[in-house]
Amino acid sequence: AQTVTQSQPEMSVQEAETVTLSCTYDTSESDYYLFWYKQPPSRQMILVIRQEAYKQQNATENRFSVNFQKAAKSFSLKISDSQLGDAAMYFCAFPGYSTLTFGKGTMLLVSP
Amino acid sequence: EAQVTQNPRYLITVTGKKLTVTCSQNMNHEYMSWYRQDPGLGLRQIYYSMNVEVTDKGDVPEGYKVSRKEKRNFPLILESPSPNQTSLYFCASSLSGGHGYTFGSGTRLTVV
Repeated sequence: AQTVTQSQPEMSVQEAETVTLSCTYDTSESDYYLFWYKQPPSRQMILVIRQEAYKQQNATENRFSVNFQKAAKSFSLKISDSQLGDAAMYFCAFPGYSTLTFGKGTMLLVSP
Repeated sequence: EAQVTQNPRYLITVTGKKLTVTCSQNMNHEYMSWYRQDPGLGLRQIYYSMNVEVTDKGDVPEGYKVSRKEKRNFPLILESPSPNQTSLYFCASSLSGGHGYTFGSGTRLTVV
């Protein structure tokens, strides 16, 4: 079974600054995907970015990018030019055959 | 618009009174799943379905039932709710694990 660990319960960043959220995982599979989801105060779960393990190139979506280190089983999320609207809980997630395994989440606080 | 629709968004009920939370998706996804989200415990899978008439237990199935009579619908049934089922519930669907999961808006259930 896969496990996903987010070691930062809470992170703070100022507007326009850059922040990196950490995630490590454990799996015996060689080909897989990884996701970052955002959960704002509205509670909606929003897919932020996805990474395919067989692709060496790190995924990028506008201000969001990942640092995927397959050998280290690390999948961190970098948010550049942080905005107030980025304040949310962020979950790292690993899709298995029948379930999506989530980390416990990192609460991101953004200050003006 | 491609979406997963959950109803109701909020529900307060009494112990033992049967209830159903509905979930419908318009993306022709084969895979659907229910999660509950609790503080400190993260998101845990209740039940999932790989296709019509195919359902299976997740990590925390006790006290819940599901059915998948049509591809688009996957209701969650609590036959005799108890206070420990007070939680935030999410329905999700996916074309395949690697494409990411689309989540409903969540149902905040309180059992008194």
